Amino acid sequence: AQTVTQSQPEMSVQEAETVTLSCTYDTSESDYYLFWYKQPPSRQMILVIRQEAYKQQNATENRFSVNFQKAAKSFSLKISDSQLGDAAMYFCAYSWVGRDDKIIFGKGTRLHILP
Amino acid sequence: EAGVTQFPSHSVIEKGQTVTLRCDPISGHDNLYWYRRVMGKEIKFLLHFVKESKQDESGMPNNRFLAERTGGTYSTLKVQPAELEDSGVYFCASSRWTGGQETQYFGPGTRLLVL
Repeated sequence: AQTVTQSQPEMSVQEAETVTLSCTYDTSESDYYLFWYKQPPSRQMILVIRQEAYKQQNATENRFSVNFQKAAKSFSLKISDSQLGDAAMYFCAYSWVGRDDKIIFGKGTRLHILP
Repeated sequence: EAGVTQFPSHSVIEKGQTVTLRCDPISGHDNLYWYRRVMGKEIKFLLHFVKESKQDESGMPNNRFLAERTGGTYSTLKVQPAELEDSGVYFCASSRWTGGQETQYFGPGTRLLVL
């Protein structure tokens, strides 16, 4: 069965610094999607970034980028120039391609931004 | 464009009572998903509607949970009778139906506490 593991329950980073959140996953599929979702306190979960496994190029969205290592089944999220608004719970997630598109989530990493 | 909305935002009930959660997806989104996060654990998939049809209900924990989506618009998730282990945050998400992996937009969740 597919699983997603986030080994860091909490992290802190100084404002304006860079932080990397770790994620590993397990699957026997060759093609799939990986996601990072962000849930700020008391607010809705939103998609931060999405990676398609067949694409070798790492996805980027402004200050957010991923390091996708398919052989190692690793999918880390790098946040550059951290801002106070980045404080949130971050969920790494996986979904299949071409079949049902339910999402498998990790337990989440709570990110604190220190002013 | 209004986002996914969920009602109520919080619910506190006693064991054995019934609770009904409601989700209004984004207008025009045929896909509707229910997920649940029990304290300290992963967000887990419950079920998936395409319009009014249940596409996948493999994540429903037991027959105390009943989901409906009459008319293919809003959905309800009823828990009857509620047990202590049903406490958690229930998320709803919606997406367009294109046959592929479309971004799922999440609601703010309903926090259910069963005493």
